[in-house]
Amino acid sequence: IAGITQAPTSQILAAGRRMTLRCTQDMRHNAMYWYRQDLGLGLRLIHYSNTAGTTGKGEVPDGYSVSRANTDDFPLTLASAVPSQTSVYFCASSLLAGGLRGANVLTFGAGSRLTVL
Amino acid sequence: EDKVVQSPLSLVVHEGDTVTLNCSYEVTNFRSLLWYKQEKKAPTFLFMLTSSGIEKKSGRLSSILDKKELSSILNITATQTGDSAIYLCAVPNTGNQFYFGTGTSLTVIP
Repeated sequence: IAGITQAPTSQILAAGRRMTLRCTQDMRHNAMYWYRQDLGLGLRLIHYSNTAGTTGKGEVPDGYSVSRANTDDFPLTLASAVPSQTSVYFCASSLLAGGLRGANVLTFGAGSRLTVL
Repeated sequence: EDKVVQSPLSLVVHEGDTVTLNCSYEVTNFRSLLWYKQEKKAPTFLFMLTSSGIEKKSGRLSSILDKKELSSILNITATQTGDSAIYLCAVPNTGNQFYFGTGTSLTVIP
């Protein structure tokens, strides 16, 4: 089934540990995104990538890094997790990239629930 | 700074009621506005609006965009308990970054 796969579904880790959330899409979408969702704050963009080989910072990038080595994969790494990074993380993708190419629709993965103690 | 604001933050209604959810935006070079429904897990796409005054409709849900007022509304008629969810509004900027509002939490009581 075409879509976005995120792993792990849920994870508890100790503060200071390194963690990578994985995201893979099989829709050949150009653009990919990482959001975090917190109660009362909605979905906030962490990092994005408009095409393989490029990445950009969103609204809340501090403490996170991403890479986009190919079209399908967009991992999110927390180098040294802190309790404030406890959240639900959603990976998303869209077919087109760039403001001049027209409208896009975001497709989301099922989310990864991360708890940092 | 690009931003999207939704209201109300939460809403509790009885089955059969009609609800109107609001989304206003400030985004450079507006192209589209998207509505999503989020139940337990990932947001699912409802509508994409690009032109003012043209209503999009799907069953009991409908939505319309007002570019002059920089806003959109999502209407749900004859609400059912299955409509209970968080409804999210998103607007992409020219860099293809999608900005979301905080969402409206709708609870439909039997």
